[in-house]
Amino acid sequence: DGGITQSPKYLFRKEGQNVTLSCEQNLNHDAMYWYRQDPGQGLRLIYYSQIVNDFQKGDIAEGYSVSREKKESFPLTVTSAQKNPTAFYLCATAAGGSSYEQYFGPGTRLTVT
Amino acid sequence: KQEVTQIPAALSVPEGENLVLNCSFTDSAIYNLQWFRQDPGKGLTSLLLIQSSQREQTSGRLNASLDKSSGRSTLYIAASQPGDSATYLCAVRNSGGSNYKLTFGKGTLLTVNP
Repeated sequence: DGGITQSPKYLFRKEGQNVTLSCEQNLNHDAMYWYRQDPGQGLRLIYYSQIVNDFQKGDIAEGYSVSREKKESFPLTVTSAQKNPTAFYLCATAAGGSSYEQYFGPGTRLTVT
Repeated sequence: KQEVTQIPAALSVPEGENLVLNCSFTDSAIYNLQWFRQDPGKGLTSLLLIQSSQREQTSGRLNASLDKSSGRSTLYIAASQPGDSATYLCAVRNSGGSNYKLTFGKGTLLTVNP
């Protein structure tokens, strides 16, 4: 996880509430990503951002929103419109250059009841 | 649409054994392939990245190979140790317009028994 921090590690919310997950990095990487991981499934991309003030929908963006006001920060909001929000959420970054190798944060486990 | 498959889904071996994990992908037009390790409840740790022009990469007891034309990669772990127990994931980056995204396999759960 190195220079990528996600907080909190565990998060509990009631159904119908919006919740924001934090992702901060000090790696000076341009690109940032949000993934969702469910048991028995691969990682699925929610949103990604290649530069400040710009972001793109991934494969499962419905019910989620993001912002990228600073290079270091890429918060993810899980809205009440997300049908099944309970999951493990992972933030990642990538530098530019030839490899675009991705590095991951420690994750946030969200439980909605 | 790119699809990544990892076989087997789970593997249990005795300590000291050499082992191979497999990854296959359906679209050979990739930019690179990355192998990760994930411990329970943790984030992913990058192990090796192979560019599409490379055939293999090595790091310590790990060796990853890539055969882009056949859509296959293998991760070879030599002299396995109990500390190697984890889930191993491979992911490919497609070349072309969506080359900022990774497509992941579901992983192989490795257990190394002392």
